[in-house]
Amino acid sequence: DTEVTQTPKHLVMGMTNKKSLKCEQHMGHRAMYWYKQKAKKPPELMFVYSYEKLSINESVPSRFSPECPNSSLLNLHLHALQPEDSALYLCASSQALTRGLAGDNEQFFGPGTRLTVL
Amino acid sequence: GNSVTQMEGPVTLSEEAFLTINCTYTATGYPSLFWYVQYPGEGLQLLLKATKADDKGSNKGFEATYRKETTSFHLEKGSVQVSDSAVYFCALNEGGGKLIFGQGTELSVKP
Repeated sequence: DTEVTQTPKHLVMGMTNKKSLKCEQHMGHRAMYWYKQKAKKPPELMFVYSYEKLSINESVPSRFSPECPNSSLLNLHLHALQPEDSALYLCASSQALTRGLAGDNEQFFGPGTRLTVL
Repeated sequence: GNSVTQMEGPVTLSEEAFLTINCTYTATGYPSLFWYVQYPGEGLQLLLKATKADDKGSNKGFEATYRKETTSFHLEKGSVQVSDSAVYFCALNEGGGKLIFGQGTELSVKP
């Protein structure tokens, strides 16, 4: 199984709602990632988990709250979002984090959740 | 800091034309390099990779060679198909889980 799955595929929410995005992988990977992507732009890294511990938080606003319940699952909890948060949210996983530039950090991406904030 | 520069798109080609998408990088060392492809409405898929100088990555008829002298990793395909229409991202491994992406190049192949 070389697939990363994400649910839901589409999500529309109001600025006062609370919702969650889910991501799952069964490749035995120990690193998982959340990215935000605007149309035709490169993905922007939000969070990295390594062995279920938060390793990187790229100064993401607190209205986004990640959670890694176990090595296969990654959630992103959303609360009080703004319309500018509308985007494609991508989850990815890799075997492990590499320390230097030369490591093979091949990341496997899910299909994404298309989020619209009204 | 480390960075990746890709040729700007969109690129429009006729079916069976030759494709080159230029990618150059700036890095303090010798990073692993990747090409990812994103088809409409989908997530990113790894197309090919190279982990050291002079390595050639290849997949689905696409090729790219890691050129240390010119700090480049240009993507090529000898004969494109309509199904190759997508956005292509060049990326380098910065370590610690971070990939540095180029801005992306949109390819449109017309029959």
